[in-house]
Amino acid sequence: DTAVSQTPKYLVTQMGNDKSIKCEQNLGHDTMYWYKQDSKKFLKIMFSYNNKELIINETVPNRFSPKSPDKAHLNLHINSLELGDSAVYFCASSLISGEYTDTQYFGPGTRLTVL
Amino acid sequence: DAKTTQPNSMESNEEEPVHLPCNHSTISGTDYIHWYRQLPSQGPEYVIHGLTSNVNNRMASLAIAEDRKSSTLILHRATLRDAAVYYCILRDSGAGSYQLTFGKGTKLSVIP
Repeated sequence: DTAVSQTPKYLVTQMGNDKSIKCEQNLGHDTMYWYKQDSKKFLKIMFSYNNKELIINETVPNRFSPKSPDKAHLNLHINSLELGDSAVYFCASSLISGEYTDTQYFGPGTRLTVL
Repeated sequence: DAKTTQPNSMESNEEEPVHLPCNHSTISGTDYIHWYRQLPSQGPEYVIHGLTSNVNNRMASLAIAEDRKSSTLILHRATLRDAAVYYCILRDSGAGSYQLTFGKGTKLSVIP
């Protein structure tokens, strides 16, 4: 069974389009995250949700809007896509919010290419 | 989160031990040392974490210097599957340490 899954795995789209990436975890975790890995391979946190509430919102353009319909899902919607949005987006989850020893489990990533 | 310094890359022969160093000279007394790795085209995965004492699990061992200013991740017998980028991350035990702050990591190559 896949612990953290993301769809789609690949997403190719034109500038200006709106797209969504879905994430689901079946681990029963309370906290979910979105990370972005750019072309230089740096991984940076974007958002974190705990029990469907936003707890981290790093400096991310407001074209990016996370939505958590329930604890097991955290989707990422991106409006008006730009070339610089091209990256790999990883979803992750952890059992305990803000716990310094908790383990984060990552999904396989969604490679977004904006043309 | 405090900063860590790791070599950009390392090589190891298959079936030999690998020692991956991490310097964290500004570590505070409440920082935990975590290691994650990212295999090619995959998401990061947890490897091990510790505070002061050395730690062992099925994947690796973590040796922490007595002054805690450095640590070493030890893979006892490298396999081709261990080729990955290894990240050493400090996490404050204070409340609100939600995200992982990734650095550049060490790219480990395993030679058959």
